[in-house]
Amino acid sequence: AQSVAQPEDQVNVAEGNPLTVKCTYSVSGNPYLFWYVQYPNRGLQFLLKYITGDNLVKGSYGFEAEFNKSQTSFHLKKPSALVSDSALYFCAVRDSRNAGNMLTFGGGTRLMVKP
Amino acid sequence: DGGITQSPKYLFRKEGQNVTLSCEQNLNHDAMYWYRQDPGQGLRLIYYSQIVNDFQKGDIAEGYSVSREKKESFPLTVTSAQKNPTAFYLCASSPSWNEQFFGPGTRLTVL
Repeated sequence: AQSVAQPEDQVNVAEGNPLTVKCTYSVSGNPYLFWYVQYPNRGLQFLLKYITGDNLVKGSYGFEAEFNKSQTSFHLKKPSALVSDSALYFCAVRDSRNAGNMLTFGGGTRLMVKP
Repeated sequence: DGGITQSPKYLFRKEGQNVTLSCEQNLNHDAMYWYRQDPGQGLRLIYYSQIVNDFQKGDIAEGYSVSREKKESFPLTVTSAQKNPTAFYLCASSPSWNEQFFGPGTRLTVL
């Protein structure tokens, strides 16, 4: 079974400050991890993924995420937040032992960046 | 959103009616998915299809039906058996094991 948790419903940060959006996962095999962003009334946009390799993954719009196997986490980070980063962020996981490509999504974290 | 289209963007349904949501992709992806999103909640999988002429139920398939007659198309029908169909519906596609790409969504409202 695979599951993912986003413990914060909302994260507030001031523009220019670093941001972190948390994600933890549970899988029986190896995890394939993804971050998506959703703007109001829009579909999800892919930000970045971890499949294998370096634990620090860089993605779109200056975002990055760090895979931590011992803590089963994949937190999304950005060194300097922009007001335009305000959106809903979803973490997703797939277990390498699953034959299909079923992703399990977290409940989402709303990021609010204030000027 | 590029490569995956969903129509209509907004859809209104009277109680007791069946409605069909369209999803088309030109990315040549084998797999396609339908999700439901409710306000303030994550995505829940309704149906998925790994290959043409084959599809599987997801976590919340009751009251929904799908078909996959062509690789590029995966329409979703919301039947009158779906008790609370008002939601935002998202279609996605993916290559065999990579990330999923999402369409812009259809907002369904029951009047």
